[in-house]
This record gives sequence, C-alpha cells and structure tokens, in this order.
Amino acid sequence: DAKTTQPPSMDCAEGRAANLPCNHSTISGNEYVYWYRQIHSQGPQYIIHGLKNNETNEMASLIITEDRKSSTLILPHATLRDTAVYYCIVVGSNYKLTFGKGTLLTVNP
Amino acid sequence: NAGVTQTPKFRILKIGQSMTLQCAQDMNHNYMYWYRQDPGMGLKLIYYSVGAGITDKGEVPNGYNVSRSTTEDFPLRLELAAPSQTSVYFCASSYFGGAEAFFGQGTRLTVV
Repeated sequence: DAKTTQPPSMDCAEGRAANLPCNHSTISGNEYVYWYRQIHSQGPQYIIHGLKNNETNEMASLIITEDRKSSTLILPHATLRDTAVYYCIVVGSNYKLTFGKGTLLTVNP
Repeated sequence: NAGVTQTPKFRILKIGQSMTLQCAQDMNHNYMYWYRQDPGMGLKLIYYSVGAGITDKGEVPNGYNVSRSTTEDFPLRLELAAPSQTSVYFCASSYFGGAEAFFGQGTRLTVV
C-alpha cells in the first residue's frame, strides 16, 4: 500500500473550516484514501473515504486531486470536540489499515 | 448492537506471565484486526483476519498469537509477557470489501 505524508500538527479556530492535507504520491489506481481520527485515548473513528471523486458526509468532505497524489480533509465548522489526531490511510485490495503518525489538529476557542 | 467489545479494559501483568485479550463484535464483520499503540505513537498492526479460520501477520506479530474460530471473536494471546509489550491494544472489525473499521475502546496493558 502507498505511504502517506501528513503535517505533524495544525491549529484551527473554533467555527472555522479545518483543512487537513495528505500527500500520497505513490497511490495506485485501485487504492482508496481513508481518513480516521483518534480523540485522546479512544479507539480511532472512521470519518470518510474516496477513490477519485470528492466525497461528503455528515462529518466532513474529502477533496482528492485529479492526479490522486494528494487529498484534503475538510471539517467545515470545527468545534473543540474535533481536537484529535487525524490519520490519512491509503488502502489497497487487502483492506489492511496501516496507520502513520497522523496530524494533531488542535481547535482553539 | 454493542459494536466491538474488548475485555479487560486494564491489566497489569508480571514479566513471563501469559494472558488473552478478548475481542468480540456483533456486526457480522468478516475482517478483524489487532493493533497496539505505544505512548505518543501511531497504531501498529499486530495481526488481522479476513474470516473465520484465516489469520495473517501484520507489522509487529512477534510475541503474540491469534485464532479466529468464529466470525464474532478474535482473541489475542500474549505468551511470556515482556515490558516491551506494555501498550494500549485496540481491536477493530470491518465489512468484507470495505475498510470502514469500527474500533473497540482498548485494553491498557502494563507489564512489570
């Protein structure tokens, strides 16, 4: 599975959009981009995933570039409860989830 | 649905002891996973299973064993516990053909 690169940390003001980038330049055509988050000490939580089209659900939006080498997770109106480590994971046909170090998003009041 | 249930939540082991971490899911998921997470680090995959009777190694399988005799249960066995196995252990499950995994709340294990 392709590796991903994320910034180690980001800050966001409460109520503003949080845009979390992820680089996956070696992604293959049949690999998906998944996003999870982990709120302090809890088990990770699935957020969203996509193949090549942009996706939106009740939690977030996922924007994947046309060449699929990078993506951005958007939390449209960040709240204090969105403070967490966010993981971008490329998943192949074996559906094996391999977590990197992720991005610590801190939402400030 | 209870989701993914892990027991125990906390455990202290002495060096050389053995124990089994239990994981059960009631969502009829085919895929199940065991991860460990050391302080300040990301999750490392220990073992995973794509169905009853089928298991495979992840990134850090040494010192652990698993079995999958039923769809619901995926126990993780620690033999001869070592201080390096002090960690938080997470179990997860997902549908066949998808990686939208549901995670348990973790087992915090300390080996002294």
